[in-house]
Amino acid sequence: ELKVEQNPLFLSMQEGKNYTIYCNYSTTSDRLYWYRQDPGKSLESLFVLLSNGAVKQEGRLMASLDTKARLSTLHITAAVHDLSATYFCAVDGGAQKLVFGQGTRLTINP
Amino acid sequence: NAGVTQTPKFQVLKTGQSMTLQCAQDMNHNSMYWYRQDPGMGLRLIYYSASEGTTDKGEVPNGYNVSRLNKREFSLRLESAAPSQTSVYFCASSRGNTGELFFGEGSRLTVL
Repeated sequence: ELKVEQNPLFLSMQEGKNYTIYCNYSTTSDRLYWYRQDPGKSLESLFVLLSNGAVKQEGRLMASLDTKARLSTLHITAAVHDLSATYFCAVDGGAQKLVFGQGTRLTINP
Repeated sequence: NAGVTQTPKFQVLKTGQSMTLQCAQDMNHNSMYWYRQDPGMGLRLIYYSASEGTTDKGEVPNGYNVSRLNKREFSLRLESAAPSQTSVYFCASSRGNTGELFFGEGSRLTVL
Protein backbone atom coordinates (compact mmCIF):
# COMPACT_ATOMS: atom_id res chain seq x y z
CA GLU A 1 0.00 0.00 0.00
CA LEU A 2 1.37 3.37 -1.01
CA LYS A 3 2.09 5.78 1.83
CA VAL A 4 3.00 9.42 1.27
CA GLU A 5 4.59 11.44 4.04
CA GLN A 6 5.38 15.12 4.11
CA ASN A 7 7.59 16.99 6.48
CA PRO A 8 7.41 19.27 8.14
CA LEU A 9 3.65 19.38 8.70
CA PHE A 10 3.81 22.92 10.01
CA LEU A 11 6.33 25.56 9.00
CA SER A 12 6.55 29.15 10.13
CA MET A 13 9.16 31.23 8.44
CA GLN A 14 10.18 34.81 7.84
CA GLU A 15 9.91 36.65 4.59
CA GLY A 16 13.09 36.53 2.59
CA LYS A 17 14.23 33.14 3.90
CA ASN A 18 14.64 29.90 1.99
CA TYR A 19 13.17 26.58 2.99
CA THR A 20 12.34 23.11 1.67
CA ILE A 21 9.33 20.84 2.10
CA TYR A 22 9.98 17.12 1.72
CA CYS A 23 7.68 14.45 0.32
CA ASN A 24 8.61 10.79 0.78
CA TYR A 25 6.66 7.86 -0.59
CA SER A 26 6.81 4.15 0.05
CA THR A 27 6.43 2.35 -3.30
CA THR A 28 7.73 2.84 -6.79
CA SER A 29 6.14 5.63 -8.80
CA ASP A 30 7.45 8.08 -11.35
CA ARG A 31 4.58 10.54 -11.22
CA LEU A 32 4.30 13.14 -8.49
CA TYR A 33 2.21 16.29 -8.13
CA TRP A 34 2.28 19.36 -5.94
CA TYR A 35 -0.85 21.32 -5.03
CA ARG A 36 -1.54 24.47 -3.10
CA GLN A 37 -4.62 25.08 -0.96
CA ASP A 38 -5.64 28.39 0.59
CA PRO A 39 -7.91 28.28 3.67
CA GLY A 40 -11.45 27.32 2.76
CA LYS A 41 -10.55 26.98 -0.91
CA SER A 42 -9.97 24.26 -3.44
CA LEU A 43 -6.66 22.74 -4.50
CA GLU A 44 -4.65 24.41 -7.22
CA SER A 45 -2.15 22.45 -9.26
CA LEU A 46 1.42 23.76 -8.97
CA PHE A 47 3.72 21.17 -10.54
CA VAL A 48 3.48 17.90 -12.42
CA LEU A 49 6.66 15.77 -12.23
CA LEU A 50 6.61 12.79 -14.57
CA SER A 51 10.08 11.31 -14.54
CA ASN A 52 13.18 10.78 -12.44
CA GLY A 53 15.21 13.96 -12.21
CA ALA A 54 12.33 16.19 -13.26
CA VAL A 55 12.66 19.77 -12.06
CA LYS A 56 10.02 22.46 -12.45
CA GLN A 57 10.15 26.10 -11.37
CA GLU A 58 7.51 28.78 -11.10
CA GLY A 59 8.47 32.06 -9.50
CA ARG A 60 9.87 31.43 -6.02
CA LEU A 61 8.89 27.75 -6.01
CA MET A 62 10.92 24.88 -7.40
CA ALA A 63 9.99 21.21 -7.29
CA SER A 64 12.13 18.18 -8.03
CA LEU A 65 11.68 14.42 -8.14
CA ASP A 66 14.11 11.61 -7.32
CA THR A 67 12.27 8.37 -8.02
CA LYS A 68 15.14 6.19 -6.85
CA ALA A 69 15.08 7.82 -3.41
CA ARG A 70 11.26 8.07 -3.58
CA LEU A 71 11.59 11.71 -2.66
CA SER A 72 10.33 15.01 -3.95
CA THR A 73 11.21 18.44 -2.65
CA LEU A 74 9.44 21.77 -2.91
CA HIS A 75 11.93 24.57 -2.41
CA ILE A 76 10.87 28.08 -1.53
CA THR A 77 13.30 30.90 -2.33
CA ALA A 78 13.12 34.30 -0.62
CA ALA A 79 9.66 33.64 0.77
CA VAL A 80 6.93 36.26 0.57
CA HIS A 81 3.68 36.46 2.55
CA ASP A 82 1.56 35.51 -0.48
CA LEU A 83 3.06 32.03 -0.41
CA SER A 84 1.36 31.28 2.92
CA ALA A 85 -0.89 28.25 2.25
CA THR A 86 -1.08 24.50 2.73
CA TYR A 87 0.98 22.50 0.25
CA PHE A 88 0.21 18.91 -0.67
CA CYS A 89 2.20 16.39 -2.60
CA ALA A 90 0.42 13.50 -4.28
CA VAL A 91 1.81 10.34 -5.85
CA ASP A 92 0.28 8.22 -8.60
CA GLY A 93 -0.49 4.91 -6.96
CA GLY A 94 -1.44 3.23 -10.22
CA ALA A 95 -4.35 3.69 -12.63
CA GLN A 96 -3.98 7.45 -12.08
CA LYS A 97 -5.29 7.20 -8.53
CA LEU A 98 -3.43 9.84 -6.56
CA VAL A 99 -2.45 9.30 -2.92
CA PHE A 100 -1.96 12.53 -1.01
CA GLY A 101 0.38 13.47 1.78
CA GLN A 102 -0.95 15.07 4.96
CA GLY A 103 -0.13 18.56 3.79
CA THR A 104 2.34 21.18 5.02
CA ARG A 105 0.86 24.32 6.48
CA LEU A 106 3.21 27.15 5.62
CA THR A 107 2.99 30.52 7.36
CA ILE A 108 5.25 33.32 6.20
CA ASN A 109 5.63 36.22 8.61
CA PRO A 110 6.67 39.74 7.62
CA ASN B 1 -14.84 27.90 -18.73
CA ALA B 2 -16.34 26.54 -15.49
CA GLY B 3 -13.99 23.54 -15.04
CA VAL B 4 -15.34 21.28 -12.27
CA THR B 5 -18.59 22.33 -10.62
CA GLN B 6 -19.92 20.81 -7.40
CA THR B 7 -23.28 21.24 -5.69
CA PRO B 8 -24.23 21.90 -2.99
CA LYS B 9 -21.38 23.85 -1.42
CA PHE B 10 -22.74 23.46 2.09
CA GLN B 11 -25.13 20.92 3.61
CA VAL B 12 -26.20 19.96 7.11
CA LEU B 13 -27.79 16.54 7.62
CA LYS B 14 -29.14 14.60 10.52
CA THR B 15 -27.85 11.10 11.19
CA GLY B 16 -29.62 8.62 8.94
CA GLN B 17 -30.63 11.10 6.25
CA SER B 18 -29.55 10.61 2.67
CA MET B 19 -28.18 13.02 0.11
CA THR B 20 -26.38 13.22 -3.20
CA LEU B 21 -23.45 15.42 -4.09
CA GLN B 22 -23.38 16.40 -7.73
CA CYS B 23 -20.30 17.01 -9.84
CA ALA B 24 -19.94 18.06 -13.46
CA GLN B 25 -16.88 18.87 -15.57
CA ASP B 26 -16.72 20.60 -18.93
CA MET B 27 -13.12 19.71 -19.86
CA ASN B 28 -13.94 16.50 -21.70
CA HIS B 29 -11.92 14.46 -19.21
CA ASN B 30 -12.40 10.72 -19.04
CA SER B 31 -11.53 10.18 -15.38
CA MET B 32 -13.40 11.59 -12.41
CA TYR B 33 -12.85 11.25 -8.67
CA TRP B 34 -14.39 11.87 -5.28
CA TYR B 35 -12.08 12.68 -2.36
CA ARG B 36 -12.78 13.63 1.22
CA GLN B 37 -10.59 15.98 3.23
CA ASP B 38 -10.32 15.77 6.98
CA PRO B 39 -7.96 17.81 9.19
CA GLY B 40 -4.46 16.36 9.36
CA MET B 41 -5.24 13.53 6.94
CA GLY B 42 -4.79 15.06 3.53
CA LEU B 43 -7.23 13.90 0.90
CA ARG B 44 -8.46 10.33 0.73
CA LEU B 45 -9.99 8.76 -2.34
CA ILE B 46 -13.56 7.52 -1.95
CA TYR B 47 -14.42 6.38 -5.49
CA TYR B 48 -13.20 7.04 -8.96
CA SER B 49 -14.37 6.50 -12.51
CA ALA B 50 -11.82 5.89 -15.23
CA SER B 51 -14.39 6.34 -17.97
CA GLU B 52 -18.09 6.62 -18.59
CA GLY B 53 -19.84 3.50 -17.35
CA THR B 54 -17.09 2.38 -14.96
CA THR B 55 -16.56 3.02 -11.28
CA ASP B 56 -14.17 1.61 -8.70
CA LYS B 57 -13.56 1.86 -4.98
CA GLY B 58 -10.84 3.97 -3.51
CA GLU B 59 -9.35 3.98 -0.03
CA VAL B 60 -12.50 4.85 1.98
CA PRO B 61 -15.62 3.71 0.06
CA ASN B 62 -17.75 2.42 2.94
CA GLY B 63 -21.03 4.32 3.36
CA TYR B 64 -20.92 5.82 -0.13
CA ASN B 65 -22.20 4.99 -3.59
CA VAL B 66 -21.43 6.67 -6.89
CA SER B 67 -22.95 7.02 -10.34
CA ARG B 68 -21.16 8.04 -13.49
CA LEU B 69 -24.19 9.39 -15.28
CA ASN B 70 -22.35 10.35 -18.47
CA LYS B 71 -18.92 11.65 -19.38
CA ARG B 72 -19.56 14.99 -17.70
CA GLU B 73 -21.26 13.99 -14.45
CA PHE B 74 -20.20 11.93 -11.44
CA SER B 75 -22.39 11.90 -8.33
CA LEU B 76 -21.69 10.72 -4.79
CA ARG B 77 -24.52 9.42 -2.61
CA LEU B 78 -24.70 8.95 1.13
CA GLU B 79 -27.56 6.55 1.79
CA SER B 80 -27.62 6.87 5.58
CA ALA B 81 -25.38 9.65 6.79
CA ALA B 82 -23.25 9.21 9.90
CA PRO B 83 -21.33 11.82 11.95
CA SER B 84 -18.08 10.20 10.75
CA GLN B 85 -18.96 11.43 7.26
CA THR B 86 -18.69 15.06 8.34
CA SER B 87 -16.00 16.31 5.98
CA VAL B 88 -15.20 18.44 2.99
CA TYR B 89 -15.78 16.56 -0.25
CA PHE B 90 -13.90 17.34 -3.43
CA CYS B 91 -14.71 16.18 -6.90
CA ALA B 92 -11.90 16.14 -9.44
CA SER B 93 -11.33 15.22 -13.05
CA SER B 94 -8.17 14.14 -14.76
CA ARG B 95 -6.39 14.94 -17.95
CA GLY B 96 -5.55 11.42 -19.01
CA ASN B 97 -2.04 11.92 -20.36
CA THR B 98 -0.41 13.48 -17.28
CA GLY B 99 -2.79 12.35 -14.53
CA GLU B 100 -3.02 15.91 -13.22
CA LEU B 101 -6.21 16.45 -11.22
CA PHE B 102 -8.45 19.49 -11.50
CA PHE B 103 -10.62 20.07 -8.46
CA GLY B 104 -14.03 21.54 -7.82
CA GLU B 105 -14.57 24.09 -5.07
CA GLY B 106 -15.59 21.49 -2.50
CA SER B 107 -18.76 20.62 -0.61
CA ARG B 108 -18.75 21.05 3.16
CA LEU B 109 -20.99 18.44 4.78
CA THR B 110 -21.92 18.33 8.45
CA VAL B 111 -23.78 15.34 9.88
CA LEU B 112 -25.36 15.93 13.28
